[in-house]
Amino acid sequence: GAVVSQHPSRVICKSGTSVKIECRSLDFQATTMFWYRQFPKKSLMLMATSNEGSKATYEQGVEKDKFLINHASLTLSTLTVTSAHPEDSSFYICSARGTGEDGYTFGSGTRLTVV
Amino acid sequence: EDQVTQSPEALRLQEGESSSLNCSYTVSGLRGLFWYRQDPGKGPEFLFTLYSAGEEKEKERLKATLTKKESFLHITAPKPEDSATYLCAVQRNSGNTPLVFGKGTRLSVIA
Repeated sequence: GAVVSQHPSRVICKSGTSVKIECRSLDFQATTMFWYRQFPKKSLMLMATSNEGSKATYEQGVEKDKFLINHASLTLSTLTVTSAHPEDSSFYICSARGTGEDGYTFGSGTRLTVV
Repeated sequence: EDQVTQSPEALRLQEGESSSLNCSYTVSGLRGLFWYRQDPGKGPEFLFTLYSAGEEKEKERLKATLTKKESFLHITAPKPEDSATYLCAVQRNSGNTPLVFGKGTRLSVIA
């Protein structure tokens, strides 16, 4: 079945630095990818929709200058958290739109801790 | 506005005690209703997609059903390894739209 690889799985960074998270579709091409954020014991909140070769569409309330999304190829989307602060600490999950029955394949998530 | 409401928020079952999880939805033009399982610190794992009212799908101890307003995930004779958060999500009938998720049901199965 479709596989989405997300790296890193865990990252700790200092306040003020930037962190990049990668999301790769391993065995299919994904023209559309989605980025979600999840707080403890809460559901997935959509941050943005990323289409290959074009600018991402951000949800209301998500700072596009803080959360930079790049979808330069059909198999790779990246989320960069710029000038990270402790309140950015969270679990970030990507999802790639495929063509199988499930249609949406999720990465394993990235636990970001900003200290 | 699309809405997905799951109940209960948390459910504690004895091993072998069957039960059902509920997912009520409001969406303009449902294209598909999805069920996922999520373990702590992991991404959601696909379980089922349902497309039309009356449809049912089964996988091991799980069975998902769909009506025009809600979906149920039935768990028959659960085992401790079924403990997880079960997420329901809807896709609107318009192309590559993102899934809209409910808050999930945290299931604990006690041996």
